Amino acid sequence: DIQMTQSPSSLSASVGDRVTITCRASQGIRNNLGWYQQKPGKAPKRLIYVASSLQSGVPSRFSGSGSGTEFTLTISSLQPEDFATYYCLQHNNYPFTFGPGTKVDIK
Amino acid sequence: EVQLVESGGGLVQPGGSLRLSCVDSEFTFSAHYMDWVRQAPGKGLEWVGRIRNKANSYNTEYAASVKGRFTISRDDSKRSVYLQMNSLKTDDTAVYYCARDIQEADYVWGQGALVTVSS
Repeated sequence: DIQMTQSPSSLSASVGDRVTITCRASQGIRNNLGWYQQKPGKAPKRLIYVASSLQSGVPSRFSGSGSGTEFTLTISSLQPEDFATYYCLQHNNYPFTFGPGTKVDIK
Repeated sequence: EVQLVESGGGLVQPGGSLRLSCVDSEFTFSAHYMDWVRQAPGKGLEWVGRIRNKANSYNTEYAASVKGRFTISRDDSKRSVYLQMNSLKTDDTAVYYCARDIQEADYVWGQGALVTVSS
């Protein structure tokens, strides 16, 4: 199975900060990776698909990059509604696997 | 509006069985792959498994942690997908989400069903 790691596991940031989260795959997954945002008690919401494409309706402050084994999610200017947990998901190989998550909270 | 509604969650003893159901309001349900994803209390997301559509022979895939114990099935006439869980362990305690895969892991999610495995 493909193992996904994320760093950092948590971070504290202020409104307006630039935030970068990294996801690494244990083997190459091409660009078959999505980024999801989850708020407490809610189902996840996809922000980025195929590593770098912005999901319709998602603010442009979110961006993704990477291919192969290393991927990043960047929030260019953190907004109050962005405090949440972020997960990557590889869907290149079965079983699909999520990263362990990165919790972004208020500094 | 709520499109996917799970039911069947509850408390079960270790070693026991439980069957979750998920009903979809989408009329194109039969065309889609359906997944189950779970989340243990205070923990991250875990992909559980998938059932493909009729065109792909209803083939299934599972996470290693549930393979051989969990079975995913569907009934397109009822727009429903099921998760049969046997030999349950305390580690299976989680909120279980059913999810319709629109395209390439772009999911429409259910509201989740809590399964608690405890003696």
